[in-house]
Amino acid sequence: GAVVSQHPSWVICKSGTSVKIECRSLDFQATTMFWYRQFPKQSLMLMATSNEGSKATYEQGVEKDKFLINHASLTLSTLTVTSAHPEDSSFYICSAPTGALAEAFFGQGTRLTVV
Amino acid sequence: AQSVTQLDSQVPVFEEAPVELRCNYSSSVSVYLFWYVQYPNQGLQLLLKYLSGSTLVKGINGFEAEFNKSQTSFHLRKPSVHISDTAEYFCAVSYDYKLSFGAGTTVTVRA
Repeated sequence: GAVVSQHPSWVICKSGTSVKIECRSLDFQATTMFWYRQFPKQSLMLMATSNEGSKATYEQGVEKDKFLINHASLTLSTLTVTSAHPEDSSFYICSAPTGALAEAFFGQGTRLTVV
Repeated sequence: AQSVTQLDSQVPVFEEAPVELRCNYSSSVSVYLFWYVQYPNQGLQLLLKYLSGSTLVKGINGFEAEFNKSQTSFHLRKPSVHISDTAEYFCAVSYDYKLSFGAGTTVTVRA
């Protein structure tokens, strides 16, 4: 089946630094990928839609200058959390639709802790 | 806009007992419906989905769900749970591949 790989699975960084998270579709091409954020004990919230070759579309309330998204190829989207602060600590998950029957596959998620 | 309400935040259940997780949704357009399971510090795994056709959907690990259009519900059931079913369960609706999730239901299976 379709596989989406996310890296790293966890990262700890100092406040003020930037962190890049990668999302790859391993056996299919994804012109669109989605980035979600999940705070502890809460549900997943869509942050942005990553579009290959064009600008990402951000959901209301998500700072585009803080969460930089790049979708440079049909198999890779990256999310960079810039100038990270402790309140950015969260579980970030990407997904990619396969095009088949509306199903989207999820990456393993990245646990970001900002200290 | 679409929204999902999971009516139970926590469901404790004994091993080999049945379980039902309730999900209601609202949408002004036709949507697809999904149930996902999440184990601690992991991503989401698809349990089952409703796209069209038969309203009773069977998924992995013995789970099934029934789509009820009149009641806008998509409840998840399993006739006999195992310890390994302890996890967080999310109901979701999809429109244009974007997913809106419910708040989640924590299922704790006890021996």
